[in-house]
Amino acid sequence: KAGVTQTPRYLIKTRGQQVTLSCSPISGHRSVSWYQQTPGQGLQFLFEYFSETQRNKGNFPGRFSGRQFSNSRSEMNVSTLELGDSALYLCASSPNRAGNEKLFFGSGTQLSVL
Amino acid sequence: SQQGEEDPQALSIQEGENATMNCSYKTSINNLQWYRQNSGRGLVHLILIRSNEREKHSGRLRVTLDTSKKSSSLLITASRAADTASYFCATDERYSTLTFGKGTMLLVSP
Repeated sequence: KAGVTQTPRYLIKTRGQQVTLSCSPISGHRSVSWYQQTPGQGLQFLFEYFSETQRNKGNFPGRFSGRQFSNSRSEMNVSTLELGDSALYLCASSPNRAGNEKLFFGSGTQLSVL
Repeated sequence: SQQGEEDPQALSIQEGENATMNCSYKTSINNLQWYRQNSGRGLVHLILIRSNEREKHSGRLRVTLDTSKKSSSLLITASRAADTASYFCATDERYSTLTFGKGTMLLVSP
């Protein structure tokens, strides 16, 4: 089985621009979670999608949004980029995200905002 | 918000030595998981321990959980240079959200 695929691997944007990141989960996994990782704040939960529905959302401003398609692929969008949005964005999938499931992570998208 | 807090923040040892990392958390949990991250890459699941378990083993890994103290420890025995990575604990306090600590950076020198 192919693992979780995130594209692109690296991205450089300027302040005020918007960006879309993509995540293809492991085949058969219906839950996709997104995390932001920075040296100062560590791993922060952004949101989780299950069967095209956002099931949980972290404490991030409305500039951060996401969606999930019928094939479970997910995208996240950040509008009006700020310098502080520079981070490694990680996507993780699991079959159902039941409480006892482990997450399978992609390699992440490294976003740099200049 | 961070649920788990790992200790120490960084650990440097020689190959062959054991490495112990600790994790403390604040609220009741259903289970606790440990993950490993090589520099700039995604996280890899190591082990899951349920709230009704006290100890679990997987290869060179040993995890303990003390729910009365709200703490867990990860022991890596006979460390290798390839174990160099960051290690994170994650707690499952809400149905579909894993909350991660800030991690312990482990450096194993040959």
